[in-house]
Amino acid sequence: SAVISQKPSRDICQRGTSLTIQCQVDSQVTMMFWYRQQPGQSLTLIATANQGSEATYESGFVIDKFPISRPNLTFSTLTVSNMSPEDSSIYLCSASTGSYNEQFFGPGTRLTVL
Amino acid sequence: GENVEQHPSTLSVQEGDSAVIKCTYSDSASNYFPWYKQELGKRPQLIIDIRSNVGEKKDQRIAVTLNKTAKHFSLHITETQPEDSAVYFCAASMGGGTSYGKLTFGQGTILTVHP
Repeated sequence: SAVISQKPSRDICQRGTSLTIQCQVDSQVTMMFWYRQQPGQSLTLIATANQGSEATYESGFVIDKFPISRPNLTFSTLTVSNMSPEDSSIYLCSASTGSYNEQFFGPGTRLTVL
Repeated sequence: GENVEQHPSTLSVQEGDSAVIKCTYSDSASNYFPWYKQELGKRPQLIIDIRSNVGEKKDQRIAVTLNKTAKHFSLHITETQPEDSAVYFCAASMGGGTSYGKLTFGQGTILTVHP
């Protein structure tokens, strides 16, 4: 399985600011995804990070709020823009390898917005 | 889009008992069904998965069954141990097209195994 790391592991931010989260995979992967997990809740897909093209966003998530980059097959970033306390959550990246779609997760970034 | 329902939301068992968690999905095009275990403060960990071309898969104490006609799948844990205590999530995805690899998760089940 792929080894996935994220930076930062946690952060406390002021409302109105932006935070960029980095996701690094130790091998080339087919797909990368970004999820949000609010405290005590399930995981919700934000977007699919497409290598070399614009990310594909799920209903309720927009590029202006959550711009995503994926410059190569091992790295992606998610920016949470103009943050409000409602953005306080855990943000997880994941990667899918091979043709069987197994998906592995990074350790997550715990974001608190004051 | 896909909708996944998971039951029960909490499950408490005695050590050595079996635990069963059930999920239903809505989109008949879904063909991949993984289960994740998430311990407090940790990342979701893939523990077992099943594809639509099989009805059952087993790995030591855990097994998953799939009924495509009824659109439901279940996780079975036998001989439970305290270290099995965690939140378990089921998920579903379609293997191709624009939905390739996208996972839709159930709401989660908090499993507590009492020594």
